[in-house]
Formats: sequence, structure tokens, C-alpha cells
Amino acid sequence: NAGVMQNPRHLVRRRGQEARLRCSPMKGHSHVYWYRQLPEEGLKFMVYLQKENIIDESGMPKERFSAEFPKEGPSILRIQQVVRGDSAAYFCASSVSSLVGTRQMNTEAFFGQGTRLTVV
Amino acid sequence: GENVEQHPSTLSVQEGDSAVIKCTYSDSASNYFPWYKQELGKGPQLIIDIRSNVGEKKDQRIAVTLNKTAKHFSLHITETQPEDSAVYFCAAGIGDSGYALNFGKGTSLLVTP
Repeated sequence: NAGVMQNPRHLVRRRGQEARLRCSPMKGHSHVYWYRQLPEEGLKFMVYLQKENIIDESGMPKERFSAEFPKEGPSILRIQQVVRGDSAAYFCASSVSSLVGTRQMNTEAFFGQGTRLTVV
Repeated sequence: GENVEQHPSTLSVQEGDSAVIKCTYSDSASNYFPWYKQELGKGPQLIIDIRSNVGEKKDQRIAVTLNKTAKHFSLHITETQPEDSAVYFCAAGIGDSGYALNFGKGTSLLVTP
């Protein structure tokens, strides 16, 4: 069972270009989370998606950033018109929901190896 | 919003010694506290977690303690080994696993032989 797969591992974009980051969750996982990590910083939550739905995008900048998790295929984090400040490592995590007693809970989140975006 | 503070930022110990990393959080509604280990060039890996109905949890050489009243939680690694060297992150969240976790800034642990 492969882990969370992110590609590309490294991405270089010029200012103004678009960056598309892909995340394939673990098999059977229907919950995906995107985080951003700036140098010397902890991870910052960006967005939480389930299949075809955005559950919470409160951590994502209102402009230029968008995310999707289609019925088929990987989750995509899209950054339009990139600027130097977008340079960071972007991590995706996935989890599966299960019923614990009467409550639906998400299991442990597994992280991918990240995409390191450099804007030049 | 939640604010997670983590100390120290760097920690160097001799092999065999113990290492302790401490975190505080601000939102009393937080009830899920995972710890992640991140090696160079890799994604964070969950090493242990604790929920607010438990005060302490242990897994072999790793233990986590939680003080809800004081809003702080700690990671304890005993009998450290060179392969424990990595960056460790604490996090706090409400409800479940990966959802909207607030991470500390990390502790770079170096275990010297």
C-alpha cells in the first residue's frame, strides 16, 4: 500500500507563472489536507477536502490559490501568477473516516514527502 | 485562533540521554495533540498523539504528557539514539486528525554518539 504520493518533488516557476501541485492520497483515504511550510517554520493549514468537496479553506489565501479533489484522480493545489513569497514546501496529508462508537472520526493523518516550490 | 509555542528550537543531547520538548497552546477547545518527526527532505511522520481525555501516553522510548489546565504538553524521548536526530513538531487541533492542525515551529534534535 503506497503512502501519500506528491508530485513533483521539486518545482521551479518564474514569477507570474502557474504552479500545479498534485497529491494522491493513500488507498481508501477520502480526506485530504494541504499544508504549507515556510523555511524555519511549522506547517500552516491551508485547506481540507473530501471527494469533490471543499470542507474548509480558511487557511488558504483568497486570491491566486485554489484546490480541488475530483471524484477521479489526485487532489490538485493550484497557484496562479506565483510570486517569490509563494516559495515554500507544500505538504499533503490524507486520512480515512471511521465510526468510533456513535461518532465519525478521522484516523491518523499521513503526510506525503512534499513539493518544494521555488519561484525565481 | 490557536497559537502553539514550542521550545527549545534546537536541542543537542548525548546518545543515551533523555530529550524533552515542550509546547503550549492557547485555545482551550483544542483536544488533539500529535507529535511529528520530520527528517531532511521528507514529510512529517506521526510518532505519537494524545487526546485531551488522557494525561499521559507511552510508546516504547517515547512518551507524551498533557496538562489541560496549564495548556501545555511535552514529548519525552528516553535512551536517545543517533537516528532520533530530526526536527520534531508538536501540533494542536480540535476534533480529529489532520484537520486544521496548528503546528509549533519545530525543535531540531541532534543526538551525538
